[in-house]
Amino acid sequence: AQSVSQHNHHVILSEAASLELGCNYSYGGTVNLFWYVQYPGQHLQLLLKYFSGDPLVKGIKGFEAEFIKSKFSFNLRKPSVQWSDTAEYFCAVNPASGGSYIPTFGRGTSLIVHP
Amino acid sequence: DTGVSQDPRHKITKRGQNVTFRCDPISEHNRLYWYRQTLGQGPEFLTYFQNEAQLEKSRLLSDRFSAERPKGSFSTLEIQRTEQGDSAMYLCASSRVSVLSATDTQYFGPGTRLTVL
Repeated sequence: AQSVSQHNHHVILSEAASLELGCNYSYGGTVNLFWYVQYPGQHLQLLLKYFSGDPLVKGIKGFEAEFIKSKFSFNLRKPSVQWSDTAEYFCAVNPASGGSYIPTFGRGTSLIVHP
Repeated sequence: DTGVSQDPRHKITKRGQNVTFRCDPISEHNRLYWYRQTLGQGPEFLTYFQNEAQLEKSRLLSDRFSAERPKGSFSTLEIQRTEQGDSAMYLCASSRVSVLSATDTQYFGPGTRLTVL
């Protein structure tokens, strides 16, 4: 069965600090990878996605993520966070081929950015 | 594009009662998903439809849970004989996939928060 692991459950940063949130997955086949963000009081929104091609993908609000197939990782990065980035971040994996189609989310990382 | 909508946004019920939630997907989206999310956890997949066909339902939590999408548009999720452990946020998402584009980007609704007393 596939799984997604987000290593950091709570991250506290000051504005302008750099951010990297870890995401590792386990799945034997081809996957599509996603990062979602949930701002306080709002619903889940897509931050960025990887389907194929360039393993470095750029998303909204200056976020980017790199897919490293050999490490089964899809870490999220931002060079300089803002107070408005305070939110919950979820990594997700969808099987892209074969087997049962069961999207899987990590348990999330709560990011607090101090002004 | 009005986004995914869910109704009601909040539901409080007594243990043993049945509840039904509705999800209206983004128009022209052919896939619809249901998830459950509890505090401190990510969304947990329950089931999904492509048009009116329910293609995966092995992750429905028990036989008390059922979902329908009779005309391939809106969907309902029903929980029978609710238990306190069913208290959670129930999320709906939709996407559009085709033969030409099998990539699947889901758009989420605001969720229905269920409290079972």
